[in-house]
Amino acid sequence: QQQVKQSPQSLIVQKGGISIINCAYENTAFDYFPWYQQFPGKGPALLIAIRPDVSEKKEGRFTISFNKSAKQFSLHIMDSQPGDSATYFCAASILGNEKLTFGTGTRL
Amino acid sequence: EAGVTQSPTHLIKTRGQQVTLRCSPISGHTSVYWYQQALGLGLQFLLWYDEGEERNRGNFPPRFSGRQFPNYSSELNVNALELEDSALYLCASSLVPGNSPLHFGNGTRLTVT
Repeated sequence: QQQVKQSPQSLIVQKGGISIINCAYENTAFDYFPWYQQFPGKGPALLIAIRPDVSEKKEGRFTISFNKSAKQFSLHIMDSQPGDSATYFCAASILGNEKLTFGTGTRL
Repeated sequence: EAGVTQSPTHLIKTRGQQVTLRCSPISGHTSVYWYQQALGLGLQFLLWYDEGEERNRGNFPPRFSGRQFPNYSSELNVNALELEDSALYLCASSLVPGNSPLHFGNGTRLTVT
């Protein structure tokens, strides 16, 4: 059962543009929502994460927006750069239970 | 600080064979996690070990097993390999057991023919 749905599968953005990746989850017990960035031949690396007690978190050019009522969260990449080309995965888990449930990834 | 290391980087096996993958966590990390990354399926949770004990297991058959050694390194064993086992197997570790963030290695690419 896929519990985290991610879209789009792939995304092409012009340099300087805004990249937006969306995720939706089903399990209301999830309370930790990280985003991972994966370059070819490398393992995923934590990019940014959010807890449901805040609606937005920003780190540099990367922002997570969180909508608890809609059970959705999204990653915004501002001023997109060629070096941002990678696959991005959203994930969700219950803190204390390390079973991260991942989305299927977005190739940017 | 050395990251999570995995070996081998690539492996080719025949259906029905057995395989062992190895992982060394970041120094000081006691929890080790295994994930399978099959094409188009994202990352699927396999196993979580902490202090030598299996703490959680994903929806995989029993032919997927593993262990954690006293130095916190870990092995993932897959018996009776099937074609659909072809995937990138990722190991991760964390400083606080049962708490993120996870630090991933670069994985072992397993191809079953």
